Amino acid sequence: DTAVSQTPKYLVTQMGNDKSIKCEQNLGHDTMYWYKQDSKKFLKIMFSYNNKELIINETVPNRFSPKSPDKAHLNLHINSLELGDSAVYFCASSQVTSGEQYFGPGTRLTVT
Amino acid sequence: KQEVTQIPAALSVPEGENLVLNCSFTDSAIYNLQWFRQDPGKGLTSLLLIQSSQREQTSGRLNASLDKSSGRSTLYIAASQPGDSATYLCAVRGGSEKLVFGKGTKLTVNP
Repeated sequence: DTAVSQTPKYLVTQMGNDKSIKCEQNLGHDTMYWYKQDSKKFLKIMFSYNNKELIINETVPNRFSPKSPDKAHLNLHINSLELGDSAVYFCASSQVTSGEQYFGPGTRLTVT
Repeated sequence: KQEVTQIPAALSVPEGENLVLNCSFTDSAIYNLQWFRQDPGKGLTSLLLIQSSQREQTSGRLNASLDKSSGRSTLYIAASQPGDSATYLCAVRGGSEKLVFGKGTKLTVNP
């Protein structure tokens, strides 16, 4: 009965590779997000989708491309991975009206 | 640009003590404020959400207050327990959908 789930939990890959992280929510929420938590534990928004449409796109390299096939899923694809992409990536969701956000368990990405 | 500051960065207290965590934000035009806890290596757990029209919210031993005009929120934890040890994050939401996070307060409750 997991509310927001992410796969994989851990991802170790080499520089230059392309990888994807998947996110699913079963809360019936309209809005989903991707956040990045850096090595100093600071959380920052990357993207937000509402009803499959991109509504927030922070200053993120265009190597990062979110894709929302439906309201319950928001995947993150990263091309040409770099060392600086190593971080924990969190998916979250919310109903637009209430705004309370629920987070997934995170995906720890390590680029070697 | 909204900035969120949490003080102190770390706090260590003996079990049973009541404590207060502080959060301040620079732009008072917020929609709501949310407190989370994060356990090491884990995701974020939502603790309390305060809408901009509210002054406080309570859940069990937790009480969060909001003073929008002064740009401050506090999280009060009563009768702290070792299981409360975690990093507590404050986040504010403005007109857009995004949350702006503070850097958190790492709380250690010693048995």
